[in-house]
Amino acid sequence: AQSVTQLGSHVSVSEGALVLLRCNYSSSVPPYLFWYVQYPNQGLQLLLKYTSAATLVKGINGFEAEFKKSETSFHLTKPSAHMSDAAEYFCAVSRENNRLAFGKGNQVVVIP
Amino acid sequence: EAGVAQSPRYKIIEKRQSVAFWCNPISGHATLYWYQQILGQGPKLLIQFQNNGVVDDSQLPKDRFSAERLKGVDSTLKIQPAKLEDSAVYLCASSLAARGTDTQYFGPGTRLTVL
Repeated sequence: AQSVTQLGSHVSVSEGALVLLRCNYSSSVPPYLFWYVQYPNQGLQLLLKYTSAATLVKGINGFEAEFKKSETSFHLTKPSAHMSDAAEYFCAVSRENNRLAFGKGNQVVVIP
Repeated sequence: EAGVAQSPRYKIIEKRQSVAFWCNPISGHATLYWYQQILGQGPKLLIQFQNNGVVDDSQLPKDRFSAERLKGVDSTLKIQPAKLEDSAVYLCASSLAARGTDTQYFGPGTRLTVL
């Protein structure tokens, strides 16, 4: 069954530093992969998605992710962290009928 | 374009009581999902509707949870009777269809606390 793994529940990053959130997937078929962000007391908002087109996907708020089949990874990056990036980030894989299987999430803390 | 609407935003009940959540999806979206998000975890799909039919309810605890989507638009999720472990955020999402590339749009969620 398709699934994703996110390691490290809490990630601290200094303002202006690189943000790197890791996601590895398990899938027997080419997957569709997603990154969502959740701000406190809000629902999930799509950051970006991979649907088998370009392997480097650009999303909102300066985030991007690269699909690497050889590493079964879809890591999320942002060159320079901003205070407004403090939130929880979820990687997800789409299963049959568009059901999403989410990872456990990364709580990002931005240090001024 | 209006997003996915959910109500109430917060609910506190005692165990063994019943509770209902309401969701209004984005207009024109055929597929509707209910997820349960326990604190510190990612959302887990409970049930998926395509129009007014159930596509997948394999993760729904059917002895206490029920959901319906009459007329293929609004949906309600009910818990009766509630248990302590039902404390979670219940998220509703919708998408145009059920293709793997269809983006799911999430509502703000209902935070349920069972005492």
